Amino acid sequence: LAKTTQPISMDSYEGQEVNITCSHNNIATNDYITWYQQFPSQGPRFIIQGYKTKVTNEVASLFIPADRKSSTLSLPRVSLSDTAVYYCPLGSSNTGKLIFGQGTTLQVKP
Amino acid sequence: DGGITQSPKYLFRKEGQNVTLSCEQNLNHDAMYWYRQDPGQGLRLIYYSQIVNDFQKGDIAEGYSVSREKKESFPLTVTSAQKNPTAFYLCASSNPSGVSTGELFFGEGSRLTVL
Repeated sequence: LAKTTQPISMDSYEGQEVNITCSHNNIATNDYITWYQQFPSQGPRFIIQGYKTKVTNEVASLFIPADRKSSTLSLPRVSLSDTAVYYCPLGSSNTGKLIFGQGTTLQVKP
Repeated sequence: DGGITQSPKYLFRKEGQNVTLSCEQNLNHDAMYWYRQDPGQGLRLIYYSQIVNDFQKGDIAEGYSVSREKKESFPLTVTSAQKNPTAFYLCASSNPSGVSTGELFFGEGSRLTVL
């Protein structure tokens, strides 16, 4: 699976929109893009998944350009409880593997 | 309630001992996974299983072993051959579709410390 690259950390303030970008230059045709959230000493929790274009659910939006070499997770109006680590693992529909990178630590300030 | 149960939550081990971490799911999921997480690091895949009686090595399988005799159970054994076993271990399951692995549901994790 292709490697993903994310910023190590980001800061934001309550009520702001946060955009976290993930780079995956070598993404394969069969790879799809997912985002997970993890709090300390807990397992990650699924946020959103997409293959191309835009996907929106009740908590976030996912933007994927036509070349699929990057993706952006958008969190509208963040709160203190959104402080967490965010991962953008790529999954292969061929192998069933989901590979996580380093993640982005988001700190939301009051 | 449906979910994934990992046990024990905390485990201490002496060097040279094998330990087995339990992972049980009642979600009727076909696929199960084991990840390792070190402080400040991402998750690394140890083993995964897409169906009963079959499993594949992940990126860091050396020093670990698994079995998948039942759909709901995927125990992980950390053997004495694992040089640095102190870590946070996470089990997950999913129900793959034809397009993707589907959403991964994670357990609460098991923290192993080698004394």
